[in-house]
Amino acid sequence: GAVVSQHPSWVICKSGTSVKIECRSLDFQATTMFWYRQFPKQSLMLMATSNEGSKATYEQGVEKDKFLINHASLTLSTLTVTSAHPEDSSFYICSASRSSYNSPLHFGNGTRLTVT
Amino acid sequence: EDQVTQSPEALRLQEGESSSLNCSYTVSGLRGLFWYRQDPGKGPEFLFTLYSAGEEKEKERLKATLTKKESFLHITAPKPEDSATYLCAVQAETSGTYKYIFGTGTRLKVLA
Repeated sequence: GAVVSQHPSWVICKSGTSVKIECRSLDFQATTMFWYRQFPKQSLMLMATSNEGSKATYEQGVEKDKFLINHASLTLSTLTVTSAHPEDSSFYICSASRSSYNSPLHFGNGTRLTVT
Repeated sequence: EDQVTQSPEALRLQEGESSSLNCSYTVSGLRGLFWYRQDPGKGPEFLFTLYSAGEEKEKERLKATLTKKESFLHITAPKPEDSATYLCAVQAETSGTYKYIFGTGTRLKVLA
């Protein structure tokens, strides 16, 4: 099955600092990756769609200047939480699909971000 | 408006007590319906893809079925290790672009 690797699995940072999360597709090329945020006992909330070689598409209400997304290659997308604040503490999950058509998403194992 | 609704929100079963989880959807341009299992603190794990009404997929104690309006995930003789949140998602296409829409999940607890 398709493997998506996400790193780090958890991170603690101080308020005002920036944190970068990496998402890699290990055995397939992903022209599109998706970034989700998940609150406890809630479902996945799509933050943005990351497209290789172009700007990410952000969902309504998601600050693009706070959540910087870079998709520099077909196997790597990064999410940088800039000037993090305690309210940014959450579980962030990336996903990718082998193709855009009729394909399931495959998810990384998520990153638990805690901002102190 | 495209929508995916899962029920029940939570379910407690005794070991061996079979049951079904429901995923109802209202979406135009359905491309596929997907089931996932999510354990606490982990990303969702892909289980099944269903593409057309009448299709069924099986894996161990799980069986997924699809109609034109809903999908069921049947769990036969569940074990405590089946405890997890089960998510349903659909891929829909609108004007040449596609999106994935997730339900809110069913939290399943299987008691020994």
